[in-house]
Amino acid sequence: SQTIHQWPATLVQPVGSPLSLECTVEGTSNPNLYWYRQAAGRGLQLLFYSVGIGQISSEVPQNLSASRPQDRQFILSSKKLLLSDSGFYLCAWSTPSVNTEAFFGQGTRLTVV
Amino acid sequence: AQSVAQPEDQVNVAEGNPLTVKCTYSVSGNPYLFWYVQYPNRGLQFLLKYITGDNLVKGSYGFEAEFNKSQTSFHLKKPSALVSDSALYFCAVREFGAAGNKLTFGGGTRVLVKP
Repeated sequence: SQTIHQWPATLVQPVGSPLSLECTVEGTSNPNLYWYRQAAGRGLQLLFYSVGIGQISSEVPQNLSASRPQDRQFILSSKKLLLSDSGFYLCAWSTPSVNTEAFFGQGTRLTVV
Repeated sequence: AQSVAQPEDQVNVAEGNPLTVKCTYSVSGNPYLFWYVQYPNRGLQFLLKYITGDNLVKGSYGFEAEFNKSQTSFHLKKPSALVSDSALYFCAVREFGAAGNKLTFGGGTRVLVKP
């Protein structure tokens, strides 16, 4: 069966420090991968998606970047965190088919202080 | 562009009563609709989806949803709510050809089931 791992679960970082969140998927190949951010426990905003290795698309301009160095690995990064980067970050994967659901990791609670 | 709307920020219901969470959608082609539930500080869990076929879709934990094309709605329902159903619920739409076949989410509806 397929599983998705996301870590760390919580993170407190000072303003101006770098960030690296990692997400890996097991049990499938060539998944679509997504990074979402959830602010204040409400709606989800899509940040990045990837349909293959090295293929990253950004949905909104921001202080973050994403990379996909391996088929089932998706990394969210920042060189210098801002206070506004605080939030709950969720990684998700799906098959390329439009009629399949996406599966989510357990999320990372990031607090920038 | 595809979009979904959840008009209610919060729904309060007594345990044992029917629960309905509303969702309307907007897509240019055929809609692929999904419902997810989120418990505090957790990821989203998939409940059910509508792809094609019967308008009434049954999912996990006794939930079902009714697809209504004329009203562009996909409301989530449960005949008898439990206290443990208290959570945040998201409706989502996926549209063929949209960037990465991405899921677009509504703003979420918080459900509070009182004993």
